[in-house]
Amino acid sequence: QSVLTQPPSASGTPGQRVTISCSGSSSNIGGNVVHWYQQIPGTAPKLLIYSNDQRPSGVPDRFSGSKSGTSASLAISGLQSEDEADYYCAAWDDGLDGPVFGGGTRLSVL
Amino acid sequence: EVQLLESGGGLVQPGGSLRLSCAASGFTFSSYVMSWVRQTPGKGLEWVSTISGPGGSTSYADSVKGRFTVSRDNSKSTLYLQMNTLRADDTAVYYCAKLLLKLPYNWGQGTLVTVSS
Repeated sequence: QSVLTQPPSASGTPGQRVTISCSGSSSNIGGNVVHWYQQIPGTAPKLLIYSNDQRPSGVPDRFSGSKSGTSASLAISGLQSEDEADYYCAAWDDGLDGPVFGGGTRLSVL
Repeated sequence: EVQLLESGGGLVQPGGSLRLSCAASGFTFSSYVMSWVRQTPGKGLEWVSTISGPGGSTSYADSVKGRFTVSRDNSKSTLYLQMNTLRADDTAVYYCAKLLLKLPYNWGQGTLVTVSS
């Protein structure tokens, strides 16, 4: 079982807005930043959001992140077919003294 | 452009050893903390090990402590993971990663390690 909890699946239609949640505890999300990754099956994860709400260059502004307390969220607006992928959250865990990850959310664009 | 290229994966018998390498380019390798992260279909993404820029400080997940050793050669811009006493549950795709704020920022393409008799 993953330390951070994500819903296993999410879906939306083209143009819709979808949010993916990531729940943790005071030892990880509650006291540290969150990164989000996108992974197309068969490829490596790619950084989508860092430091809770920052986008690396090249990531469309349709992707946004937020954090409140011990939870974080990834929002995707104007959903497109190419957004079909697995999405993972990550945070440093002070107790484990290492990064911890969510179990991943598979996003389907219907 | 940051590039991380892993190699050294393959099929190994339980109890065997394997050494992974990660060749880095596009950034000042010695200035960055680096990590190994693995991924299995069943357990998802799992942090394995981290090493400081100069290489003097290392840390490991409990699941690999005492069996795996991370090292780096900054003159060659290369990260290593020596894996000993391998078990079936070490089977995974292993990624090297450049960190930002203690979390993976850039990822390599991964190398598959299969532990099976």
